[in-house]
Amino acid sequence: QKEVEQNSGPLSVPEGAIASLNCTYSDRVSQSFFWYRQYSGKSPELIMSIYSNGDKEDGRFTAQLNKASQYVSLLIRDSQPSDSATYLCAVARRALTFGSGTRLQVQP
Amino acid sequence: SAVISQKPSRDICQRGTSLTIQCQVDSQVTMMFWYRQQPGQSLTLIATANQGSEATYESGFVIDKFPISRPNLTFSTLTVSNMSPEDSSIYLCSVGGTGNTEAFFGQGTRLTVV
Repeated sequence: QKEVEQNSGPLSVPEGAIASLNCTYSDRVSQSFFWYRQYSGKSPELIMSIYSNGDKEDGRFTAQLNKASQYVSLLIRDSQPSDSATYLCAVARRALTFGSGTRLQVQP
Repeated sequence: SAVISQKPSRDICQRGTSLTIQCQVDSQVTMMFWYRQQPGQSLTLIATANQGSEATYESGFVIDKFPISRPNLTFSTLTVSNMSPEDSSIYLCSVGGTGNTEAFFGQGTRLTVV
């Protein structure tokens, strides 16, 4: 079992829709959870961080954490073509462990 | 957030040679991390670099192949030694991401070995 699992996609959504990205992790003692966006040829850019159970909202982005289910998700509301990228879920203990990433395509 | 400057941004190297990648942070940090991203893959941690001590390498990575220096709290280098085409990847320097701190990345070094 991989430490951090994501559906590789591509996930295709129409412009203006909600994109839902999911991630599961295996290490129950993980403390911090992050979502990064990576455009092709660029380094990862931090989108959201979440440390406790529940929802955290920042603009069009909402991160959800359920430690009992070892599950993290990212919702992107009003998706835009500029949101088309690979989204990486990362889980931290002493360093970050990344999932394989989900490629999101927002269709104009 | 930390500002991380990494160089070179890209290089094309001959097999059998070595390349040293530099990473400069705008603030003092205890730990710096080096990641590799192979084509079409996610990020894999190579090693953790602490100032004043030897780097800690992850399984599958060895010091002879990826020597790391950490001379002070704002600077680190990663050398990719005796390169082969399989070393063609993006190499990323990072700070943060431990405990409840956010991690930030340099712009990466795109290495192509021919």
